[in-house]
Amino acid sequence: TQLLEQSPQFLSIQEGENLTVYCNSSSVFSSLQWYRQEPGEGPVLLVTVVTGGEVKKLKRLTFQFGDARKDSSLHITAAQPGDTGLYLCAGARYNTDKLIFGTGTRLQVFP
Amino acid sequence: GAGVSQSPRYKVAKRGQDVALRCDPISGHVSLFWYQQALGQGPEFLTYFQNEAQLDKSGLPSDRFFAERPEGSVSTLKIQRTQQEDSAVYLCASSLRSSGSRDTQYFGPGTRLTVL
Repeated sequence: TQLLEQSPQFLSIQEGENLTVYCNSSSVFSSLQWYRQEPGEGPVLLVTVVTGGEVKKLKRLTFQFGDARKDSSLHITAAQPGDTGLYLCAGARYNTDKLIFGTGTRLQVFP
Repeated sequence: GAGVSQSPRYKVAKRGQDVALRCDPISGHVSLFWYQQALGQGPEFLTYFQNEAQLDKSGLPSDRFFAERPEGSVSTLKIQRTQQEDSAVYLCASSLRSSGSRDTQYFGPGTRLTVL
């Protein structure tokens, strides 16, 4: 059972378009991470957000942690084919060492 | 290389066979995690080691799954009497410090297990 639901599950867009991926839960997390995973490889960490309401920017990617620490979003501006991949959010619960991963959003950006 | 390595990369087993999956973490990393990733889904936590101590095995699906890290470095995930539902990619990750979930986890490429 995965506690973090991501939407949309699949996203297919043209190069240059903007998109937002959502990660939602009814549980509170101490921190939340976003990963990108490409076929045949393990997930690679993009960002960690730790404070409710926090916004972090990484070039064309903007990450936000919800005020209540239950949800997060990833916004990509002017998507490029190199952004193609599986995007995963992962939450850390208080007083545990394991990450709980979301259901994943598969993004395809066409040139 | 300096990253996490896993072997074999692909494993095909007949139902009922035992398999052993190996993880070589980044040298010096204290924490080691195993995850199971079904096709098209996010990884699910299996177990966690801090050095040689297995601190959390709450995600292991059944007593057919066993993991060890006897010297605090290399880890092996063993699955006995494999079943078709065990087919998945098994990911290993390591992190530098003991507060694993709040520290960057570096993932290996995974072992894709197919049980026929």
